[in-house]
Amino acid sequence: AQKVTQAQTEISVVEKEDVTLDCVYETRDTTYYLFWYKQPPSGELVFLIRRNSFDEQNEISGRYSWNFQKSTSSFNFTITASQVVDSAVYFCALSEAASGTYKYIFGTGTRLKVLA
Amino acid sequence: DTEVTQTPKHLVMGMTNKKSLKCEQHMGHRAMYWYKQKAKKPPELMFVYSYEKLSINESVPSRFSPECPNSSLLNLHLHALQPEDSALYLCASSRGNRGLGTGELFFGEGSRLTVL
Repeated sequence: AQKVTQAQTEISVVEKEDVTLDCVYETRDTTYYLFWYKQPPSGELVFLIRRNSFDEQNEISGRYSWNFQKSTSSFNFTITASQVVDSAVYFCALSEAASGTYKYIFGTGTRLKVLA
Repeated sequence: DTEVTQTPKHLVMGMTNKKSLKCEQHMGHRAMYWYKQKAKKPPELMFVYSYEKLSINESVPSRFSPECPNSSLLNLHLHALQPEDSALYLCASSRGNRGLGTGELFFGEGSRLTVL
C-alpha cells in the first residue's frame, strides 16, 4: 500500500540557516510520481515540484533543491538560506500512475518556522 | 493569485442549514477534487470528478453531495452537517488528460467551514 512518512512534525530555524525536510515513501509500483507542496497560513497548497520514478536527477530551483533516492525511497527537500517567508507547512505526496489511481497520498506535513 | 477560485472563503452554518461551496477553474483541467483538511492534518480526499463524471467517492457521508455542472465548475452541497465537519475544504484540479495521478494538483485557497 502507498504510504508517505514525514517524520519531522515541526522544525524551527533562524533566518539564513539551511534546512532539510525529509520524506520517505512506500509503494509497490514501479511507476509513480512524487510531489512537494507548500501550505502557507493562507491555506492554499502551492505546488513546488513533481518527480517521476524514472528520473532520479536532483533538482535545484533558486534556494530550493530536491534529492530523490530510489534506493532509500526518499525525496528530501532542502531550503538554502531560509527566509521568514518560507514559514509554512510542507507536504510530500505520492501518486501511483501505473495503477490508474487518481489518488494523491499526502504525508502528515512538516511545519517549518523560520525566525528572524 | 491562484487559478482555482473557491467561494465563499468562510462559511458558518447551523446543523439544519443547507449551503453550497463552489469551485471554479479555467485552466482546461478535466479532473477536479474535493479535499477536507482538519487543523494540523494533511488534506483528505473526498471526491474526484474526471471528465465531469464522479470517479471516486471516499465513503463520504451523504450529507456531503458533490456536483460537477461542467468542466470548469465543481460544487459541494452541504446539508445537516455536524460540528465535527468543521474544517477547511479545498478544491483542486489537474490536467487529467494523460492519466490522472501524473500531474500536479492546483489548489484553491479553500473554504473554511464552521458548523455550529
